[in-house]
Amino acid sequence: GENVEQHPSTLSVQEGDSAVIKCTYSDSASNYFPWYKQELGKGPQLIIDIRSNVGEKKDQRIAVTLNKTAKHFSLHITETQPEDSAVYFCAASPSSNTGKLIFGQGTTLQVKP
Amino acid sequence: EAEVAQSPRYKITEKSQAVAFWCDPISGHATLYWYRQILGQGPELLVQFQDESVVDDSQLPKDRFSAERLKGVDSTLKIQPAELGDSAMYLCASSFHNTEAFFGQGTRLTVV
Repeated sequence: GENVEQHPSTLSVQEGDSAVIKCTYSDSASNYFPWYKQELGKGPQLIIDIRSNVGEKKDQRIAVTLNKTAKHFSLHITETQPEDSAVYFCAASPSSNTGKLIFGQGTTLQVKP
Repeated sequence: EAEVAQSPRYKITEKSQAVAFWCDPISGHATLYWYRQILGQGPELLVQFQDESVVDDSQLPKDRFSAERLKGVDSTLKIQPAELGDSAMYLCASSFHNTEAFFGQGTRLTVV
């Protein structure tokens, strides 16, 4: 079955710097890759997603890139702010069933003021 | 803004007792998911419904867990009997026909 590896497990940056989180997946049939942000005690919140027919997608300070050949995708956050501090999860959907997600282990992002 | 509603937010139960969680998906979302998130890990799918039918329950420990969505709207997840290892966050999510999944705030279960 699908397996998603996420790195790093923790990331500390200074406010205003960029943050990059990387994920690899194992199932070449996976075609949908969302990123979720989870704050303490809350459920995951979808922040951006990308489908396998697209190489890059951007939404204001957040961007995601996908390399299907290498089977990896990355989240890029520019101009980080303290409110970006949270746990970020990548996920892959191994079919057209986009809610059946295999999640990575999470990255705890700390943005220091 | 429409949200997935879950209750209770927190639940403490003793080992061997029964416990139940409730979820009300976003209106119009035919697909409903229950995920379990152990502290420090990513969520793992337990069961998926399409309307009132179970689509995938391959990861649901059926000896003690059960889930239903009788009228194809809200859903209940039950654990009986609860074990210490069941302590986790139980998350409900919903989606509209294979679009993005939206999660609720979850129920934090502690088994003592």
